[in-house]
Amino acid sequence: DTAVSQTPKYLVTQMGNDKSIKCEQNLGHDTMYWYKQDSKKFLKIMFSYNNKELIINETVPNRFSPKSPDKAHLNLHINSLELGDSAVYFCASSQRWGTDQPQHFGDGTRLSIL
Amino acid sequence: KNEVEQSPQNLTAQEGEFITINCSYSVGISALHWLQQHPGGGIVSLFMLSSGKKKHGRLIATINIQEKHSSLHITASHPRDSAVYICAVEGRGSTLGRLYFGRGTQLTVWP
Repeated sequence: DTAVSQTPKYLVTQMGNDKSIKCEQNLGHDTMYWYKQDSKKFLKIMFSYNNKELIINETVPNRFSPKSPDKAHLNLHINSLELGDSAVYFCASSQRWGTDQPQHFGDGTRLSIL
Repeated sequence: KNEVEQSPQNLTAQEGEFITINCSYSVGISALHWLQQHPGGGIVSLFMLSSGKKKHGRLIATINIQEKHSSLHITASHPRDSAVYICAVEGRGSTLGRLYFGRGTQLTVWP
């Protein structure tokens, strides 16, 4: 069974559309994250939730809205998609918030904006 | 300037060679992570350490907190080790839980 699963794996859409990426973890972890990896493979944190509460909200346009309906899920909704949103988005989870916690990553969602 | 610098950016080796990837950071940290990203794109956590040295199979990670430096070593390298290796540091205090990433080292091991 996949520990952290993201859907869809690939997402191709037009500029201006609204889309969502879903993430689920079956590890019983408390903390979940969204990362963006740009075309140069550089990773940056976007959001982190702990027990369904937003803990980290980096400087991300408010077109990006995370939602955590329960501890096992952290979805990412993106409004009015722009060309610069093209990237690979990774979801991750860790057992609990704080140090000494390895993170488990999903396989990524490759978003391409036409 | 990025908080985390890795070297080299690209590394090519012959099978069996000893590999070293370096990571330097400029912020106070609570832990340092080494990650592996395979050509298929998935990311796997290899090590998390806050002091000393850890070993897992042919992989060894060391950290020197005073010098703000970590190394990832691969002994007896194999073509299946070909991947991007990413160093990430975890902040402390107000930045606890945040990971700051290096730009990765692309390792290619030839048979």
